[in-house]
Amino acid sequence: KAGVTQTPRYLIKTRGQQVTLSCSPISGHRSVSWYQQTPGQGLQFLFEYFSETQRNKGNFPGRFSGRQFSNSRSEMNVSTLELGDSALYLCASKASSTDTQYFGPGTRLTVL
Amino acid sequence: GESVGLHLPTLSVQEGDNSIINCAYSNSASDYFIWYKQESGKGPQFIIDIRSNMDKRQGQRVTVLLNKTVKHLSLQIAATQPGDSAVYFCAETYTGANSKLTFGKGITLSVRP
Repeated sequence: KAGVTQTPRYLIKTRGQQVTLSCSPISGHRSVSWYQQTPGQGLQFLFEYFSETQRNKGNFPGRFSGRQFSNSRSEMNVSTLELGDSALYLCASKASSTDTQYFGPGTRLTVL
Repeated sequence: GESVGLHLPTLSVQEGDNSIINCAYSNSASDYFIWYKQESGKGPQFIIDIRSNMDKRQGQRVTVLLNKTVKHLSLQIAATQPGDSAVYFCAETYTGANSKLTFGKGITLSVRP
């Protein structure tokens, strides 16, 4: 079974731009969570989607948003990019019957 | 590779020795705990998990110990190999509809040949 995939793997943007990241979960997994990883703050929860609905949200500003499609694929969007948004963005998926989240390789976003 | 291990504590062990990585978790309501391993350029990889109704669980070469009294989690790796070199994170959550994982800061394991 294929793992979690994320595209693109690397992105370079400038301040003020917006960006959309994509995540395809493991087949059959309906829960998708997003995390931001930085050297200073570590891994922090952004939000979780289940059956196209946001089920939980972390403490990030409204510039960070997401959505999930009927095939469980998810996207996250960051608008009005700031330098501090430079990070590794990780997506994780989970089957309904378990509690274990499996992570993708991440998208490295650099904001210049 | 990805610089995810900056400013993290480092544990250096000799190849073949046993490694013990410790983690203090924060929420006494957490009932599910996971250890992840992250290599440079990759996402966190599941190693082993444990629920709060257990105090020990063993996998292949790895053992997780849970002490709920002091909110402490440890990962023991037997016969540490060079391929074990990575950053290790503990994560906690309380189960049910909430899937938010709260991660520890991470520890870099360096295996000396």
